[in-house]
Amino acid sequence: EPEVTQTPSHQVTQMGQEVILRCVPISNHLYFYWYRQILGQKVEFLVSFYNNEISEKSEIFDDQFSVERPDGSNFTLKIRSTKLEDSAMYFCASSEAGERGQPQHFGDGTRLSIL
Amino acid sequence: DQQVKQNSPSLSVQEGRISILNCDYTNSMFDYFLWYKKYPAEGPTFLISISSIKDKNEDGRFTVFLNKSAKHLSLHIVPSQPGDSAVYFCAASAVETSGSRLTFGEGTQLTVNP
Repeated sequence: EPEVTQTPSHQVTQMGQEVILRCVPISNHLYFYWYRQILGQKVEFLVSFYNNEISEKSEIFDDQFSVERPDGSNFTLKIRSTKLEDSAMYFCASSEAGERGQPQHFGDGTRLSIL
Repeated sequence: DQQVKQNSPSLSVQEGRISILNCDYTNSMFDYFLWYKKYPAEGPTFLISISSIKDKNEDGRFTVFLNKSAKHLSLHIVPSQPGDSAVYFCAASAVETSGSRLTFGEGTQLTVNP
């Protein structure tokens, strides 16, 4: 069964450094998403992406965050200058279409630890 | 963000019995609801969904019930199996949002005892 893959599984970074989290969505999917889950908290939406542009972003997704689809397969989340509070599990997801209710398929996540 | 709430952090049932997981929401604009299952060190896996125009959707051992007037949905698993032990998340998407943002509940840890 096709799956969303994320690398690395664990990233440790010094505060203030830039970090790039990588995702390979399911190949025929057109919509891509990033979510995060801070330890002990809910899974929170960050951003959705379609046709090479952001379709929606949450209040969490400030100027420190950016997303990119640099080629036909990868989807990346960049955090420009990491803060301690960016430590979380980051999940990438993709779906076949953007209609509400289309199931989003999630990767296994990247655990980001900011020191 | 209390728009989707799962009030039971944990639930324990015997193998073969029914598991009932509950979810409440406050945003009346939510029009689609999904259940995900999550094992440790894995991402959420889609289980089943329901549109707000329906009150029941069934897929094998999994049935989701929606009570719009009460703003409540539930996931029934019958019969429960030890492999069902996982965290179950309720999620919802709203009419007014332009994309398909999912709003998640806190999750309920289900343990099915052999």
